Amino acid sequence: KAGVTQTPRYLIKTRGQQVTLSCSPISGHRSVSWYQQTPGQGLQFLFEYFSETQRNKGNFPGRFSGRQFSNSRSEMNVSTLELGDSALYLCASSPDGPLETQYFGPGTRLTVL
Amino acid sequence: SQQGEEDPQALSIQEGENATMNCSYKTSINNLQWYRQNSGRGLVHLILIRSNEREKHSGRLRVTLDTSKKSSSLLITASRAADTASYFCATGPDVDTGKLIFGQGTTLQVKP
Repeated sequence: KAGVTQTPRYLIKTRGQQVTLSCSPISGHRSVSWYQQTPGQGLQFLFEYFSETQRNKGNFPGRFSGRQFSNSRSEMNVSTLELGDSALYLCASSPDGPLETQYFGPGTRLTVL
Repeated sequence: SQQGEEDPQALSIQEGENATMNCSYKTSINNLQWYRQNSGRGLVHLILIRSNEREKHSGRLRVTLDTSKKSSSLLITASRAADTASYFCATGPDVDTGKLIFGQGTTLQVKP
């Protein structure tokens, strides 16, 4: 099976712009989670989607949003970008439940200038 | 807040030596996972150990879990230069939220 894919791999934006990141889970996986990784804060949970429903959200401002489509693909949107949003954004998928292993994609490196 | 804390933060060894990384956590867990990350790329899942397990092996990797001490260790035997990476422990996923909580990681350098 193909692994988790994320597009684009690299992105450069300027402050105030918005960005949409995409994640395609492993075929058959219905749960998709998003994480932000920065040198200062490490890996932090953004949100998790299962069967098109957001099940939980981390402690991020409302500028960060997401959605999941019927084919389990997920998108994450960040509006009004700030310099501090520069990070590696990782998505992870798992088959059905939260107790199963989560498989990560290669990430999208976002740089905000 | 971070659940897992790794120790040491950085480790440098020679090829062929063993590397041991430790992870401590604060609350009760269902399971604990170890991941590897090469140079700011995606995370690769290594091992998942459940709370009722004490030890698990996968190739050159050995993970132990001591729930009474709220700690886990990852041992890499006969290390190779290709093992150079950052290693993270993560607790969960939480049954209700599916959320993994990661430690800050141990950066391992294996010198050829």
